[in-house]
Amino acid sequence: KAGVTQTPRYLIKTRGQQVTLSCSPISGHRSVSWYQQTPGQGLQFLFEYFSETQRNKGNFPGRFSGRQFSNSRSEMNVSTLELGDSALYLCASSFGDRGGNEQFFGPGTRLTVL
Amino acid sequence: AQSVTQLGSHVSVSEGALVLLRCNYSSSVPPYLFWYVQYPNQGLQLLLKYTSAATLVKGINGFEAEFKKSETSFHLTKPSAHMSDAAEYFCAVTSDTGGENKLTFGTGTQLKVEL
Repeated sequence: KAGVTQTPRYLIKTRGQQVTLSCSPISGHRSVSWYQQTPGQGLQFLFEYFSETQRNKGNFPGRFSGRQFSNSRSEMNVSTLELGDSALYLCASSFGDRGGNEQFFGPGTRLTVL
Repeated sequence: AQSVTQLGSHVSVSEGALVLLRCNYSSSVPPYLFWYVQYPNQGLQLLLKYTSAATLVKGINGFEAEFKKSETSFHLTKPSAHMSDAAEYFCAVTSDTGGENKLTFGTGTQLKVEL
């Protein structure tokens, strides 16, 4: 069974630009969650999508948004990039039908904002 | 609100020695607890999870963890460290509130294994 895939793996942008990251979950999984990992703040929850609906949202500004498609693939978008948005962005997929579901992570997208 | 505290941001052990990585949690509802490992430039790999079925949980690569409700702890252990265990380890908590899938992570423990 294929794992979670994320594209692109690496991205370099400049301040003020916007970026879109993509995540393809494990087949059969309906939940996709996004996390930001930085050396200073650690792993922080961005949002979760389940069956094309945002089910949960972390404490991030509105510049961070996402969506999920009918095939469960998800994208997240960051507009008006800031230097502090440089991070590893991880997505995780699960069946999503209960809180104890195992979440499986992709390899991440490393975003560098110059 | 839920939270996780990992004691010791860096732990160093000799190859063949016991590995003990500490995790304490705070949750107002019965928690689900997880340990993940992250190797450099990679995502997180699930080591094991606790979902109330048994307090001693066995995971992959010889790791196990024991859930102690009285101590609100979920420490990760491995009897004999191997060089390949060197990585960063994260403890995480979530709960079954309306199917919520949000993981709250600890700050991580970097494990170093020395010859």
